[in-house]
Amino acid sequence: SQKIEQNSEALNIQEGKTATLTCNYTNYSPAYLQWYRQDPGRGPVFLLLIRENEKEKRKERLKVTFDTTLKQSLFHITASQPADSATYLCALDLSDSWGKLQFGAGTQVVVTP
Amino acid sequence: SAVISQKPSRDICQRGTSLTIQCQVDSQVTMMFWYRQQPGQSLTLIATANQGSEATYESGFVIDKFPISRPNLTFSTLTVSNMSPEDSSIYLCSVPSGDTEAFFGQGTRLTVV
Repeated sequence: SQKIEQNSEALNIQEGKTATLTCNYTNYSPAYLQWYRQDPGRGPVFLLLIRENEKEKRKERLKVTFDTTLKQSLFHITASQPADSATYLCALDLSDSWGKLQFGAGTQVVVTP
Repeated sequence: SAVISQKPSRDICQRGTSLTIQCQVDSQVTMMFWYRQQPGQSLTLIATANQGSEATYESGFVIDKFPISRPNLTFSTLTVSNMSPEDSSIYLCSVPSGDTEAFFGQGTRLTVV
């Protein structure tokens, strides 16, 4: 079965710096990969989707890369702000039906002023 | 976009009882998904709720324990039956949107005592 790994340790970062999160997967070739943000007590909120034929995607201060050879995605938050503090989840499609996702455990990001 | 309302937002239940969670979407959708998020862990897909047909369950989840209804294209319920403390989790419903993202409800935080 496929496995998705994200750093389990919280990432503590100073405001203004770039946070970089890693998502590695095995035994799978996803058509796309998604990143979500989850705040305590809330459901995940979609941030970015990157397809297998795309190397990089940007949205405002967020950047995602996707290396299907390495089976890895990197998620960058540039010019980080305390409001970016949350848990970030990567998710892969389960391919047999749109919308079915397998999630990584998530990485907590803490941005300090 | 889709707005999803889940009820209840939280509940504390006695072991052996059942709880039904409701998920209402503000637009018609073909598929709805139910996820479980156990404490400190990521989301795990329970089942796909299809309108007009039986729900499709993922490995490790059975209909007797998690019966699902899907009476129309905007509504679904998930029942957690014969609860035990191990069922204490956050339960989330989700709907896909076009070809870009999934929307989630705010979740139902269930504590079984």
